[in-house]
Amino acid sequence: DIQMTQSPSSVSASVGDRVTITCRASQGISSWLAWYQQKPGKAPNLLLYAASSLHSGVPSRFSGSGSGTEFTLTISSLQPEDFATYFCQQANSFPLTFGGGTKVEIK
Amino acid sequence: QVQLQQWGAGLLKPSETLSLTCAVYGGSFSGNYWTWIRQPPGKGLDWIGEISHSGSTNYNPSLKSRLTISVDTSKNHFSLNLTSVTAADTAVYYCARGSGTYTGVLDYWGQGMLVTVSS
Repeated sequence: DIQMTQSPSSVSASVGDRVTITCRASQGISSWLAWYQQKPGKAPNLLLYAASSLHSGVPSRFSGSGSGTEFTLTISSLQPEDFATYFCQQANSFPLTFGGGTKVEIK
Repeated sequence: QVQLQQWGAGLLKPSETLSLTCAVYGGSFSGNYWTWIRQPPGKGLDWIGEISHSGSTNYNPSLKSRLTISVDTSKNHFSLNLTSVTAADTAVYYCARGSGTYTGVLDYWGQGMLVTVSS
């Protein structure tokens, strides 16, 4: 199985801050990476796929980059509704696997 | 707009069979993979498996011996059966749609359902 490792596990930030989350794959996955946002008690929502493609309806303050084994999710200017947990997921091979999550908390 | 609605038994005893069904409303049922994911309380996401509209499946090897995912194209439903459950199977279970244009990307999710295994 491909292991996905996210860092940090949590981050405290203020509204307006730039936040960057890193996801590393245990082996190369090209650009087969997706990012999801999950709020408490809710299902995850797709943010980005193919490492950097924005899903329909997702604000442009979210962006993604990377290929191979290292990827980043950036929120350019944190908004109140962005406080949530973020997961990366590799779509390169079965079984699909997720990172452990990064919780973005209010500073 | 695509919507997924799921249901099933929420409380099981050890050794029983977990059964969940997910109904798909809107969008195309064919051309996508229909997926189950679970999330133990306070933990991360685990991919369980998926099925196409034609019945082709991919399972997580860690669950394969206990797992059956099936599809009913006449109702646009798909189902999860997991046998011989233990407390380790306690989780919120989600159904989701695998994107037809980008394999392995989960673009629509059900609301989730907590399944508790307890004696």
